[in-house]
Amino acid sequence: SQTIHQWPATLVQPVGSPLSLECTVEGTSNPNLYWYRQAAGRGLQLLFYSVGIGQISSEVPQNLSASRPQDRQFILSSKKLLLSDSGFYLCAWSAIWTDTDTQYFGPGTRLTVL
Amino acid sequence: AQSVTQLDSHVSVSEGTPVLLRCNYSSSYSPSLFWYVQHPNKGLQLLLKYTSAATLVKGINGFEAEFKKSETSFHLTKPSAHMSDAAEYFCVEGGATNKLIFGTGTLLAVQP
Repeated sequence: SQTIHQWPATLVQPVGSPLSLECTVEGTSNPNLYWYRQAAGRGLQLLFYSVGIGQISSEVPQNLSASRPQDRQFILSSKKLLLSDSGFYLCAWSAIWTDTDTQYFGPGTRLTVL
Repeated sequence: AQSVTQLDSHVSVSEGTPVLLRCNYSSSYSPSLFWYVQHPNKGLQLLLKYTSAATLVKGINGFEAEFKKSETSFHLTKPSAHMSDAAEYFCVEGGATNKLIFGTGTLLAVQP
């Protein structure tokens, strides 16, 4: 069966510090991968999605970037965090051959920028 | 543009009573529709998915949803609420290029 991991689970960072959040998927190959942010009291916002290694699409202009160095690894980064980057970050995956529109979410990372 | 409307931001029920969470979608064609549940500080868990095979979709934990094209609705129901059902529920529509369109969520409270 497929599983998706995210770490760290929680993170407190000062403004201006760098960020690296990691997401890995097990039990499937060539998944589509997604990063979402859920700010307090707001819905989910798609930040990035990837259909393959090195292929990243950005949905909104922002202070963040994403990379996919390996097939089942998706990394969310920032060089300098802003207060507005605080939120709950969710990684998700979907298959590319069947049931392609169903996304499965990881446990999330709670980021607090102070 | 596609949109998903969850008609209630908060719903409160007593344990053992029925649950109804309302959702309307906007697509004119037959869409893929999902319900996800999110417990506090957790990821989203898929409850069920509609894919046009059957209008009544059964999901996990006793939940089900009925697709009504004439009403563009996809309401989530459960006959008897349990305390563990307290969470936020998202109605979601599948969009173009595997992108999802999320409703704003309904927070379900279950009173003892």
